[in-house]
Order: sequence, then C-alpha cells, then structure tokens
Amino acid sequence: GENVEQHPSTLSVQEGDSAVIKCTYSDSASNYFPWYKQELGKRPQLIIDIRSNVGEKKDQRIAVTLNKTAKHFSLHITETQPEDSAVYFCAASGTDKLIFGTGTRLQVFP
Amino acid sequence: SAVISQKPSRDICQRGTSLTIQCQVDSQVTMMFWYRQQPGQSLTLIATANQGSEATYESGFVIDKFPISRPNLTFSTLTVSNLSPEDSSIYLCSVFRTGTGDGEQYFGPGTRLTVT
Repeated sequence: GENVEQHPSTLSVQEGDSAVIKCTYSDSASNYFPWYKQELGKRPQLIIDIRSNVGEKKDQRIAVTLNKTAKHFSLHITETQPEDSAVYFCAASGTDKLIFGTGTRLQVFP
Repeated sequence: SAVISQKPSRDICQRGTSLTIQCQVDSQVTMMFWYRQQPGQSLTLIATANQGSEATYESGFVIDKFPISRPNLTFSTLTVSNLSPEDSSIYLCSVFRTGTGDGEQYFGPGTRLTVT
C-alpha cells in the first residue's frame, strides 16, 4: 500500500521568511496530493491540493509542486506570518483513500 | 466544503466499556472514512465506511474492535469496543466530496476519547 514520508518534522522560521515542507510517496498510482493545516485542538483543514496532471499550483502565499517521476511533492509558504504556526500534513491518494505523512510542526517567530 | 458534525465531542470512559461516535454530514457523500489521531501523531486510517455493505478495514484494525455502521449516505457511526487506555485518542470522521471539480476530503471536528 501507499507510504508517505514527510520532512522535516519541525521547522522554525523568522516571520517573513519562506518555509518548505517535502513529502515522498511510494505508490505510483497515487494522483491526488492534498495538504492540511492543523492548529492545536482543531480539525485538519485543507489548505491546498494538487493532482497528477498539474506540476504546480499557487494560492496567494501558498504553493505546491509535484514531481511524479521522482514521486515527491512540496509545500511552499512565502512571507510567513505567526498565524502560519501549526502542524502541516501532506497526504497522497489513489482512487480510494488518503494516506498521511507524519506531519511538520511549523513555528514562525515574530 | 462540507459541514460535518460529530457526537460526542469528547468523553471519558472506563476500561472495558465501549463508546459509539456519530458522524453526520450536511449532504450525501459516497465515501466516508474514520481516522484515529493519537496524541502528537499523524492521522491513521481505521476504515472506509461503505453504505449498504461492510466497512473496509485497514491493516491493524478489526471489525470486532471497531464496528462501523453506515445506514445512509449522510451518517455513520464508529464504535470503539472493550476500551483500554491505549484507545485514548482523537477519532475523526472524514468525507470525500465531489463538487464542481474532482473532489476534496474534509474532516469532522473529532471526538476526544480518554480511557481511564
């Protein structure tokens, strides 16, 4: 079955800097790659996703890139703000279920 | 997005008892899932709740421990049976909704279970 690895496990950046989180997946049939943000005590919130027919997708300060050949995808957050501090999860899915990475705790210091 | 509610939001149960968690969605969805999130950990898929048939369980999860019902396209229940302290976790219902695009997956608010 699918296996998703995520790095780094923790990331600390200064406000205004960029943050990059990387994930690799094992199942070449996977075609849907969402990213979730989870604040303390809250449910995971979908922030952006990408499908295998697209190499990059942007939404304001957030972008995701996908390299299907290498089976990895990344989340890029530019101009980070303290409210970006949270745990971020990547996930991968084929036709039926999402498998999650281990999570990255992002801390943005003012 | 999808409006998903779960009941209860939290509970404290004694070992050996069971807890049933309800998940209600604001409109019909084909795919509903149950996840577990242990403290400080990622989300682990327990099972896919299938309407009209038995749930599909992931490796390490069995029907006797985690019976699931899916009586219709907007509702599901997860029971955690014969509770032990190791079952203390957050349990999340999730749905895959297809809208105008290819679809997205959303989560309920979770049920925080503490077993004493």
